[in-house]
Amino acid sequence: NAGVTQTPKFRVLKTGQSMTLLCAQDMNHEYMYWYRQDPGMGLRLIHYSVGEGTTAKGEVPDGYNVSRLKKQNFLLGLESAAPSQTSVYFCVSGTGGRNEQFFGPGTRLTVL
Amino acid sequence: GQQLNQSPQSMFIQEGEDVSMNCTSSSIFNTWLWYKQEPGEGPVLLIALYKAGELTSNGRLTAQFGITRKDSFLNISASIPSDVGIYFCAALNYQLIWGAGTKLIIKP
Repeated sequence: NAGVTQTPKFRVLKTGQSMTLLCAQDMNHEYMYWYRQDPGMGLRLIHYSVGEGTTAKGEVPDGYNVSRLKKQNFLLGLESAAPSQTSVYFCVSGTGGRNEQFFGPGTRLTVL
Repeated sequence: GQQLNQSPQSMFIQEGEDVSMNCTSSSIFNTWLWYKQEPGEGPVLLIALYKAGELTSNGRLTAQFGITRKDSFLNISASIPSDVGIYFCAALNYQLIWGAGTKLIIKP
Protein backbone atom coordinates (compact mmCIF):
# COMPACT_ATOMS: atom_id res chain seq x y z
CA ASN A 1 0.00 0.00 0.00
CA ALA A 2 1.98 2.98 -1.30
CA GLY A 3 -0.60 5.66 -0.39
CA VAL A 4 -0.19 8.75 -2.58
CA THR A 5 2.77 8.91 -4.94
CA GLN A 6 3.94 11.83 -7.06
CA THR A 7 6.38 12.11 -9.94
CA PRO A 8 8.70 13.81 -10.44
CA LYS A 9 10.09 14.82 -7.05
CA PHE A 10 12.02 17.79 -8.46
CA ARG A 11 11.91 19.67 -11.75
CA VAL A 12 13.44 22.82 -13.20
CA LEU A 13 11.68 24.46 -16.14
CA LYS A 14 12.36 27.48 -18.29
CA THR A 15 9.65 30.10 -18.69
CA GLY A 16 7.20 29.01 -21.36
CA GLN A 17 7.90 25.28 -21.11
CA SER A 18 5.13 22.84 -20.34
CA MET A 19 5.02 19.81 -18.09
CA THR A 20 2.67 17.37 -16.38
CA LEU A 21 2.85 16.35 -12.74
CA LEU A 22 1.63 12.82 -12.09
CA CYS A 23 -0.22 11.64 -9.01
CA ALA A 24 -1.41 8.15 -8.15
CA GLN A 25 -3.25 6.79 -5.11
CA ASP A 26 -4.00 3.19 -4.20
CA MET A 27 -6.55 3.84 -1.44
CA ASN A 28 -9.60 3.86 -3.73
CA HIS A 29 -10.38 7.44 -2.71
CA GLU A 30 -12.96 9.37 -4.67
CA TYR A 31 -11.56 12.80 -3.87
CA MET A 32 -8.23 14.07 -5.16
CA TYR A 33 -6.69 17.52 -4.94
CA TRP A 34 -3.73 19.53 -6.12
CA TYR A 35 -2.32 22.15 -3.74
CA ARG A 36 0.61 24.48 -3.99
CA GLN A 37 2.59 25.52 -0.95
CA ASP A 38 4.54 28.76 -0.84
CA PRO A 39 6.45 30.19 2.13
CA GLY A 40 4.20 32.18 4.45
CA MET A 41 1.08 31.39 2.41
CA GLY A 42 0.15 27.96 3.65
CA LEU A 43 -1.61 25.58 1.27
CA ARG A 44 -3.68 26.84 -1.61
CA LEU A 45 -6.03 24.62 -3.61
CA ILE A 46 -5.43 24.65 -7.37
CA HIS A 47 -7.94 22.11 -8.68
CA TYR A 48 -9.77 19.14 -7.29
CA SER A 49 -11.81 16.14 -8.36
CA VAL A 50 -14.71 14.42 -6.64
CA GLY A 51 -14.55 11.33 -8.84
CA GLU A 52 -13.31 9.81 -12.07
CA GLY A 53 -13.99 12.07 -15.02
CA THR A 54 -14.76 15.15 -12.89
CA THR A 55 -12.63 18.19 -12.11
CA ALA A 56 -13.29 21.57 -10.52
CA LYS A 57 -11.40 24.79 -9.91
CA GLY A 58 -9.98 25.64 -6.53
CA GLU A 59 -8.67 28.89 -5.14
CA VAL A 60 -5.78 29.45 -7.62
CA PRO A 61 -6.55 27.58 -10.88
CA ASP A 62 -5.13 30.02 -13.44
CA GLY A 63 -2.25 28.64 -15.50
CA TYR A 64 -3.04 25.02 -14.61
CA ASN A 65 -5.15 22.25 -16.06
CA VAL A 66 -6.04 18.85 -14.64
CA SER A 67 -7.44 15.53 -15.74
CA ARG A 68 -8.89 12.54 -13.87
CA LEU A 69 -9.31 9.89 -16.52
CA LYS A 70 -8.86 7.06 -14.02
CA LYS A 71 -9.96 7.05 -10.40
CA GLN A 72 -6.46 6.38 -9.10
CA ASN A 73 -4.69 9.10 -11.12
CA PHE A 74 -4.88 12.90 -11.05
CA LEU A 75 -2.68 14.86 -13.47
CA LEU A 76 -1.71 18.51 -13.15
CA GLY A 77 -0.54 20.30 -16.28
CA LEU A 78 1.29 23.56 -16.75
CA GLU A 79 0.85 24.71 -20.34
CA SER A 80 3.30 27.61 -20.30
CA ALA A 81 5.28 27.79 -17.09
CA ALA A 82 5.91 31.14 -15.39
CA PRO A 83 8.30 32.04 -12.54
CA SER A 84 5.24 32.68 -10.33
CA GLN A 85 4.54 28.95 -10.55
CA THR A 86 7.75 28.12 -8.68
CA SER A 87 6.39 26.24 -5.68
CA VAL A 88 6.03 22.89 -3.99
CA TYR A 89 3.05 20.98 -5.36
CA PHE A 90 1.19 18.43 -3.28
CA CYS A 91 -1.26 15.86 -4.54
CA VAL A 92 -3.78 14.77 -1.95
CA SER A 93 -6.47 12.13 -1.84
CA GLY A 94 -9.36 11.87 0.58
CA THR A 95 -12.42 9.96 1.60
CA GLY A 96 -14.87 12.81 1.05
CA GLY A 97 -17.09 11.78 3.91
CA ARG A 98 -14.94 12.80 6.83
CA ASN A 99 -12.56 14.56 4.50
CA GLU A 100 -9.33 13.38 6.03
CA GLN A 101 -6.78 14.24 3.42
CA PHE A 102 -3.68 12.16 2.71
CA PHE A 103 -0.73 13.93 1.18
CA GLY A 104 1.82 12.80 -1.37
CA PRO A 105 5.50 13.62 -0.82
CA GLY A 106 5.40 16.74 -3.01
CA THR A 107 7.02 17.98 -6.22
CA ARG A 108 9.43 20.89 -5.96
CA LEU A 109 9.15 22.92 -9.17
CA THR A 110 11.41 25.82 -10.11
CA VAL A 111 10.64 27.97 -13.14
CA LEU A 112 13.53 30.10 -14.32
CA GLY B 1 -14.07 34.32 1.85
CA GLN B 2 -13.52 31.98 4.76
CA GLN B 3 -10.19 32.27 6.53
CA LEU B 4 -8.41 30.53 9.35
CA ASN B 5 -6.18 32.59 11.60
CA GLN B 6 -3.51 30.30 13.02
CA SER B 7 -1.26 31.49 15.81
CA PRO B 8 1.45 31.78 16.71
CA GLN B 9 3.34 31.87 13.41
CA SER B 10 6.38 30.33 15.06
CA MET B 11 7.45 29.16 18.51
CA PHE B 12 10.87 28.76 20.05
CA ILE B 13 10.64 26.41 23.01
CA GLN B 14 12.88 24.42 25.32
CA GLU B 15 12.75 20.64 25.25
CA GLY B 16 10.27 19.45 27.87
CA GLU B 17 8.02 22.50 27.65
CA ASP B 18 4.35 22.30 26.79
CA VAL B 19 3.21 23.87 23.53
CA SER B 20 -0.11 25.42 22.64
CA MET B 21 -1.34 26.73 19.29
CA ASN B 22 -4.77 27.61 17.96
CA CYS B 23 -6.87 28.41 14.95
CA THR B 24 -9.78 30.80 14.88
CA SER B 25 -12.28 31.89 12.30
CA SER B 26 -15.38 34.03 11.94
CA SER B 27 -17.06 31.07 10.18
CA ILE B 28 -18.55 27.89 11.62
CA PHE B 29 -17.05 24.55 10.62
CA ASN B 30 -18.13 20.91 10.90
CA THR B 31 -14.66 19.34 11.06
CA TRP B 32 -11.29 20.46 12.34
CA LEU B 33 -8.08 18.68 11.36
CA TRP B 34 -4.52 19.10 12.64
CA TYR B 35 -1.52 18.16 10.47
CA LYS B 36 2.25 18.14 10.96
CA GLN B 37 4.72 18.74 8.15
CA GLU B 38 8.40 17.86 8.41
CA PRO B 39 11.02 19.30 6.03
CA GLY B 40 10.79 17.84 2.54
CA GLU B 41 7.63 15.90 3.29
CA GLY B 42 3.90 16.37 2.85
CA PRO B 43 1.68 17.12 5.86
CA VAL B 44 0.56 14.11 7.89
CA LEU B 45 -2.76 13.99 9.71
CA LEU B 46 -2.37 14.06 13.52
CA ILE B 47 -5.87 14.50 14.89
CA ALA B 48 -9.37 14.82 13.39
CA LEU B 49 -12.26 16.44 15.30
CA TYR B 50 -15.91 16.08 14.24
CA LYS B 51 -18.08 17.40 17.10
CA ALA B 52 -18.20 20.73 18.88
CA GLY B 53 -16.58 20.40 22.29
CA GLU B 54 -14.77 17.20 21.31
CA LEU B 55 -11.39 16.69 22.99
CA THR B 56 -9.14 14.10 21.37
CA SER B 57 -5.65 12.90 22.25
CA ASN B 58 -2.95 11.21 20.22
CA GLY B 59 -0.06 10.39 22.54
CA ARG B 60 1.31 13.71 23.87
CA LEU B 61 -0.94 15.67 21.52
CA THR B 62 -4.38 16.90 22.52
CA ALA B 63 -6.74 18.87 20.32
CA GLN B 64 -10.16 20.37 20.96
CA PHE B 65 -13.01 21.40 18.67
CA GLY B 66 -14.26 24.72 20.07
CA ILE B 67 -17.77 24.82 21.43
CA THR B 68 -18.68 27.71 19.10
CA ARG B 69 -17.39 25.63 16.13
CA LYS B 70 -15.26 28.63 15.14
CA ASP B 71 -11.98 27.55 16.69
CA SER B 72 -9.70 24.71 17.65
CA PHE B 73 -6.52 24.34 19.62
CA LEU B 74 -3.65 21.85 19.70
CA ASN B 75 -1.50 21.18 22.74
CA ILE B 76 1.74 19.22 22.83
CA SER B 77 2.94 18.17 26.27
CA ALA B 78 6.58 17.69 27.27
CA SER B 79 8.01 18.56 23.85
CA ILE B 80 10.87 16.51 22.41
CA PRO B 81 13.26 17.27 19.52
CA SER B 82 11.25 15.23 17.00
CA ASP B 83 8.26 17.55 17.54
CA VAL B 84 9.91 20.19 15.35
CA GLY B 85 8.05 20.96 12.15
CA ILE B 86 5.17 23.02 10.89
CA TYR B 87 1.73 22.34 12.32
CA PHE B 88 -1.32 23.17 10.20
CA CYS B 89 -4.94 23.42 11.15
CA ALA B 90 -7.62 22.80 8.53
CA ALA B 91 -11.38 23.19 8.80
CA LEU B 92 -14.21 21.89 6.68
CA ASN B 93 -17.64 23.03 5.61
CA TYR B 94 -18.25 22.39 1.95
CA GLN B 95 -14.54 22.82 1.29
CA LEU B 96 -11.37 22.44 3.32
CA ILE B 97 -9.73 25.67 4.47
CA TRP B 98 -6.13 25.74 5.75
CA GLY B 99 -4.32 27.84 8.31
CA ALA B 100 -0.90 29.30 7.40
CA GLY B 101 0.92 27.04 9.86
CA THR B 102 2.81 27.26 13.16
CA LYS B 103 6.52 26.54 12.95
CA LEU B 104 7.84 24.79 16.05
CA ILE B 105 11.55 25.16 16.81
CA ILE B 106 13.27 23.60 19.80
CA LYS B 107 16.05 25.68 21.33
CA PRO B 108 19.28 23.74 21.71
